[in-house]
Formats: sequence, C-alpha cells, structure tokens
Amino acid sequence: DAKTTQPTSMDCAEGRAANLPCNHSTISGNEYVYWYRQIHSQGPQYIIHGLKNNETNEMASLIITEDRKSSTLILPHATLRDTAVYYCIVRVPYNFNKFYFGSGTKLNVKP
Amino acid sequence: GAVVSQHPSRVICKSGTSVKIECRSLDFQATTMFWYRQFPKQSLMLMATSNEGSKATYEQGVEKDKFLINHASLTLSTLTVTSAHPEDSSFYICSARDFGKNTEAFFGQGTRLTVV
Repeated sequence: DAKTTQPTSMDCAEGRAANLPCNHSTISGNEYVYWYRQIHSQGPQYIIHGLKNNETNEMASLIITEDRKSSTLILPHATLRDTAVYYCIVRVPYNFNKFYFGSGTKLNVKP
Repeated sequence: GAVVSQHPSRVICKSGTSVKIECRSLDFQATTMFWYRQFPKQSLMLMATSNEGSKATYEQGVEKDKFLINHASLTLSTLTVTSAHPEDSSFYICSARDFGKNTEAFFGQGTRLTVV
C-alpha cells in the first residue's frame, strides 16, 4: 500500500470548515483513498473513501487532486465532537487486504 | 452501517493469567477479521489477520503463541492473550469487512486490557 503523509495536528474553530490534507504521491492506479477517524478511547470510525472523483456523504467531503497525489478531507461545519485523530489510508479495496494506519492528524476543534 | 462488537470493553487481569477478547460481526458475515493493538498516544498497529476456518497470519514481530486467534465462525473471532504481563496492557481493536463486498472496514469499540 502507498505511504501517506499527514500533519501531526490541526486546530479548527467550531462551526468553521476543517480541511485535513493528506499526501500520497506514490499512489497507484487501483488504490483508493480512505479516511477514518478515532475519537479518544474508541475504535476507528469510517468516514469516506474515493478513487479519483470527489465524494460527499453526510459526514464529509473528499477532494482528490487530478494527479491523485494528494487529497483533502473537508468537515463543512466542525463541532466539538469532531475532535479526533483522522487517518488517511491508501489501499486496494480487496476483501482480504489489510488496513495499515499511519500516525494521522489530531484535529482539535475549539469553541 | 455494519456493526462490529467487541467484548469485554474493559478487563483487568493478574499477571500470568490469560484473557480472551471476542469480536463479532453483528449483521454480516466476515471471513476475515483483523486484530490491532494501540498503545497510549500511538497509532493502531496491525497484529494479525484472522481467517475463518484456517490459521491466523501474524505480522512480523507478533508472537503467535502469546496471542492466540480463533475464527470459528463467519461472525466470531477471538483473541486470547496468554500469560499476560503488564507490558501487554493496551487497547485491542478488531476490524471486519462484509463478506464478498469491497467496502470499507468496520471496527469494534475496542477492549482496554490492564494487566496488574
């Protein structure tokens, strides 16, 4: 699986959009970008994933650059409950493929 | 979304004893489950892949005789920490994916193990 690089931490004001970047310059053509988050002392929670088109669901939007070497997770209106560690993972989505987690970005949403 | 449940959520055991952690997929079948360990302020580290009806495969550096994995059915995998020591105290998390679907992985809520 391709390696990802994320900032260690970010701050965001409550109610504002949180934009979390991820670099994956060695991504291959069949690898998807997945985002998970982990709130303190809980298991990771799936957020969104995509291949090359931008994706949106009820939680977030995923913007993938045209060359697919980076992506941004957008939480449109961050709340205090969005404070968590956000993980960007690149992998081929076959059934038996493992998820390896990097260090992630600690997002601190502040009042 | 699909639900993965772990039990217990917290356990305290004495040094030298064994502890079993269960991971269940509640509304789907999972031929493969994954076990992770997480130490404080660190990321999740993959320990092993649990395969229904066959032996688990372990990541490099993980002792298979210490962390026994059994995946007896399509909805249940168990991790047994044998002869636990204080350094085994950690947050253990399992993950499963819906059989036959190339979808996201779902994670259990985790088990906090404290060995005293």
